[in-house]
Amino acid sequence: EVQLVESGGALVQPGGSLRLSCEASGFTFSNYWMSWVRQAPGKGLEWVANIKQDGSEKYYVDSVKGRFTISRDNAKNSLYLQMNSLRAEDTAVYYCARGPLGCCSCSSCSMAYWGQGTLVTVSS
Amino acid sequence: EIVLTQSPATLSLSPGERATLSCRASQSVSSYLGWYQQKPGQAPRLLIYDASNRATGIPARFSGSGSGTDFTLTISSLEPEDFAVYYCQQRSYWPPLITFGQGTRLEIK
Repeated sequence: EVQLVESGGALVQPGGSLRLSCEASGFTFSNYWMSWVRQAPGKGLEWVANIKQDGSEKYYVDSVKGRFTISRDNAKNSLYLQMNSLRAEDTAVYYCARGPLGCCSCSSCSMAYWGQGTLVTVSS
Repeated sequence: EIVLTQSPATLSLSPGERATLSCRASQSVSSYLGWYQQKPGQAPRLLIYDASNRATGIPARFSGSGSGTDFTLTISSLEPEDFAVYYCQQRSYWPPLITFGQGTRLEIK
């Protein structure tokens, strides 16, 4: 059974930092693109970042470029999101999601499995 | 940046009826479009990928169609568990950036 379990969400002050983790199981983690997607309270879904199987390609939504860093450790079956210079508008539930097997640019790069999310609240 | 516009914002129907949800892209996304269902307090669930392919375990009453800029998610006969929010999602050609539509809320009439 595919499982994705996020952790690391917390209340943090504006300008602060946080590192989210996602532990994967039930599939060969190193074969899949992985993404972070967030959802602000009462709002829609917003893709944040994705990373290729070997970590050689990483992409971000403009609003987090230069502040957030996505990374992965295939030996630990884990995905990470380092978030710096946090702002109130970063407040959201952050989901870890599994992307496609193989190629992202040859498909809709849709995400078939999702974790239950971890809440990040940025407030003073 | 490709913008996805979903319509209607809210759709009110009864169980057993047919639901037709629309997603329009600001420029062509070929067939690189997915659809998701989200219920309150739950993570999204992938329904359709590559415009018309049902994801694993998705009932046959869900179908997707379209290419280019206009896409449709059809639920042939609504079940009580289908009332939820639905999002479309696209992947831009290069770099492979992902965007979601704003969602359509499907509510019980």
